[in-house]
Amino acid sequence: SAVISQKPSRDICQRGTSLTIQCQVDSQVTMMFWYRQQPGQSLTLIATANQGSEATYESGFVIDKFPISRPNLTFSTLTVSNMSPEDSSIYLCSVGRGSTGELFFGEGSRLTVL
Amino acid sequence: KQEVTQIPAALSVPEGENLVLNCSFTDSAIYNLQWFRQDPGKGLTSLLLIQSSQREQTSGRLNASLDKSSGRSTLYIAASQPGDSATYLCAVRNPASGSRLTFGEGTQLTVNP
Repeated sequence: SAVISQKPSRDICQRGTSLTIQCQVDSQVTMMFWYRQQPGQSLTLIATANQGSEATYESGFVIDKFPISRPNLTFSTLTVSNMSPEDSSIYLCSVGRGSTGELFFGEGSRLTVL
Repeated sequence: KQEVTQIPAALSVPEGENLVLNCSFTDSAIYNLQWFRQDPGKGLTSLLLIQSSQREQTSGRLNASLDKSSGRSTLYIAASQPGDSATYLCAVRNPASGSRLTFGEGTQLTVNP
């Protein structure tokens, strides 16, 4: 398995502001992902965080709204920019480890935008 | 486009009962299938991973099966306990979509003492 730490665990933010979520993994991983879970819904992949290059975004998600950094193989950040109430969600960091392709998730960051 | 469906959406059972959660997917060309557990407001805990070449995986009271040709997986929970109460999510990975998982909507399980 993997130990994945996310900060903050939760936050309440004002409309129009930005929040950066951090994800720290206990060892080096190649694959690192950011997911969103809107209230009452399942998970949707936002982007793949690539070390040393720009993140790969899924359809419907753009870099200006969700800038991602991946400075090394154990750390990544996701910023939710110019927030609106529709951004209220749980944001989850995920990593892949080993040859099986199993994915592991952090505890999530619950964001409420007023 | 892969679609994953989980039935039922919610399930309430008395403690001690054996139960089955269902997951179906439309594209059988999967790389693997993973079952997760999610407690309210929390992240996901990986329960079982089944590779496309496998038929089932077991961990303690949990057994997951995979029938790739029919696009189905089941998660069997034996002798359920109140601590099993959570949302159970099924997710599949297709070779064509890289490392992206496609998730079902989940089954919310309540085990009553």
